[in-house]
Amino acid sequence: AQSVTQPDIHITVSEGASLELRCNYSYGATPYLFWYVQSPGQGLQLLLKYFSGDTLVQGIKGFEAEFKRSQSSFNLRKPSVHWSDAAEYFCAVAPRSSGNTGKLIFGQGTTLQVKP
Amino acid sequence: DTGVSQNPRHKITKRGQNVTFRCDPISEHNRLYWYRQTLGQGPEFLTYFQNEAQLEKSRLLSDRFSAERPKGSFSTLEIQRTEQGDSAMYLCASSSLGGSGNTIYFGEGSWLTVV
Repeated sequence: AQSVTQPDIHITVSEGASLELRCNYSYGATPYLFWYVQSPGQGLQLLLKYFSGDTLVQGIKGFEAEFKRSQSSFNLRKPSVHWSDAAEYFCAVAPRSSGNTGKLIFGQGTTLQVKP
Repeated sequence: DTGVSQNPRHKITKRGQNVTFRCDPISEHNRLYWYRQTLGQGPEFLTYFQNEAQLEKSRLLSDRFSAERPKGSFSTLEIQRTEQGDSAMYLCASSSLGGSGNTIYFGEGSWLTVV
């Protein structure tokens, strides 16, 4: 079955420390890949996306993600976390076969807490 | 620049009552999506429209749920005979037509609490 796995339910990092959030997908072919962020009680904001080309993708707010086909992974990174980064982070995929980048399958999410 | 607008933002209803949520997409966006998100989970796809046509419905969309987009602009999601299990945030999103390469933009969601 097609699935998206975010192994870490909750992560706590100190402000200024680096961050990596993991995402693995299970699909027959490489899907379209996304990372979204959600603040409490709010909708989702797109951080970055991967469709093709360079496997290192730059996004907003200083985030980047690297697509690794061999590991079926799309991990999100940030070199220095700010207190305002505390939020819920979702990895999502859309099957290429659907031709529809809006029909997304989301992971369970990772809650990021930032210590002062 | 207005984003995706949803209302009401919060709704508390008694079990068995009907509720309706409205979504106004970004102007000129052809595609409109509805998702449901329960506490501690990622959003789950419910349905989507291309202009006024409802092109796909998830198995999550039971017979008590109906969505419309009568003029290809705003959309409504109605839940009839609400149950406690319907308590969730209902998210709307929109995108322009064009297949790959287009980003969907989410609204801030409508919270439903069924008591």
